[in-house]
Amino acid sequence: NAGVTQTPKFRVLKTGQSMTLLCAQDMNHEYMYWYRQDPGMGLRLIHYSVGEGTTAKGEVPDGYNVSRLKKQNFLLGLESAAPSQTSVYFCASSDPTSSETQYFGPGTRLLVL
Amino acid sequence: GESVGLHLPTLSVQEGDNSIINCAYSNSASDYFIWYKQESGKGPQFIIDIRSNMDKRQGQRVTVLLNKTVKHLSLQIAATQPGDSAVYFCAERGDKIIFGKGTRLHILP
Repeated sequence: NAGVTQTPKFRVLKTGQSMTLLCAQDMNHEYMYWYRQDPGMGLRLIHYSVGEGTTAKGEVPDGYNVSRLKKQNFLLGLESAAPSQTSVYFCASSDPTSSETQYFGPGTRLLVL
Repeated sequence: GESVGLHLPTLSVQEGDNSIINCAYSNSASDYFIWYKQESGKGPQFIIDIRSNMDKRQGQRVTVLLNKTVKHLSLQIAATQPGDSAVYFCAERGDKIIFGKGTRLHILP
């Protein structure tokens, strides 16, 4: 199993550009999450999904949109990137029926100029 | 408000010694706690968890202690190895999961 994978690994954007971060998991997990990690701060939840076709806002959802069209994929979109969105983005998944453990991907480092 | 914090941002430990990483939490209603390890350039990796109805749980070379009276969580790593160098952070689950900022563990040769 590859676990949780994220693409791309690194990206540089100019202010106002858009992009989509892709997260994929092969563990058949129902729940998926998008976090951002900034220096000196803990992980903060952006959006999450409790199943295919459903999404919900987390702690810091503004400026981001998500979609969960397939169970194994969770996409995070930035419609108009801002320098404040420079961060490392982590995707995670979990299976609430067997464990509450979240399994994280390797991260996407995003720089917005 | 709710918060999860760590007492020390950086901890230096001699190789072979035991490491103790501490975490304070403020939500007395939190019922589940997790420790993660994050190596440089990688995503967080689950280490061990504990529920609020327990005060100690042991894994392979790691032990988590929970003191609900003072709302304190600790991670003990036995016989610290160079591969243990990482940032360790705790998380608590109340009505939501809150992650701490992390403590960097540095292993001295």
